[in-house]
Amino acid sequence: AQSVTQLDSQVPVFEEAPVELRCNYSSSVSVYLFWYVQYPNQGLQLLLKYLSGSTLVESINGFEAEFNKSQTSFHLRKPSVHISDTAEYFCAVSDNNNDMRFGAGTRLTVKP
Amino acid sequence: KAGVTQTPRYLIKTRGQQVTLSCSPISGHRSVSWYQQTPGQGLQFLFEYFSETQRNKGNFPGRFSGRQFSNSRSEMNVSTLELGDSALYLCASSFDRYTQYFGPGTRLTVL
Repeated sequence: AQSVTQLDSQVPVFEEAPVELRCNYSSSVSVYLFWYVQYPNQGLQLLLKYLSGSTLVESINGFEAEFNKSQTSFHLRKPSVHISDTAEYFCAVSDNNNDMRFGAGTRLTVKP
Repeated sequence: KAGVTQTPRYLIKTRGQQVTLSCSPISGHRSVSWYQQTPGQGLQFLFEYFSETQRNKGNFPGRFSGRQFSNSRSEMNVSTLELGDSALYLCASSFDRYTQYFGPGTRLTVL
């Protein structure tokens, strides 16, 4: 079965600074990778996903993630963060059976 | 399209009671999955239903059960509630078996 490790539980950064949230996965089969964001008292919102094709995927609000098969990673990056990006971010991996596993989450705090 | 809806949004129960949570998936989505989210355990998979049949099941006791109706709406039931069942219960629907879309969740507090 697949599993996900998010290497940082908390990431504090200043506004307009770049950020990288790290995610590593393990799986013996083909995987599909996701990043979700959760704002306080809300459900999870899909940020971006990798199913196939280009290994670099982007979201509409400036985040991007790159699937690296050799390093089994799917790190999330943003070149310049805003206060409104403060939230919890979850990396997830799924297989052909819709068996989705989540990482423990990374709390991103953007400070002014 | 309307998103995934969950009712109620908040619920307070006492130990020993039972509770039923409801989830309406995005129109056209036939798969519904349920998750429990707690600060200590994170997001844990409960079960998945597809076309009224349970297709996957997580590692939860039998007190946790679910069902899906012909219109794809799903309910989750927890019997004999325990304090540790206090959590945010999230429902997600899926069309293609890869991507899941989540509802806002039901916050259950057990006193």
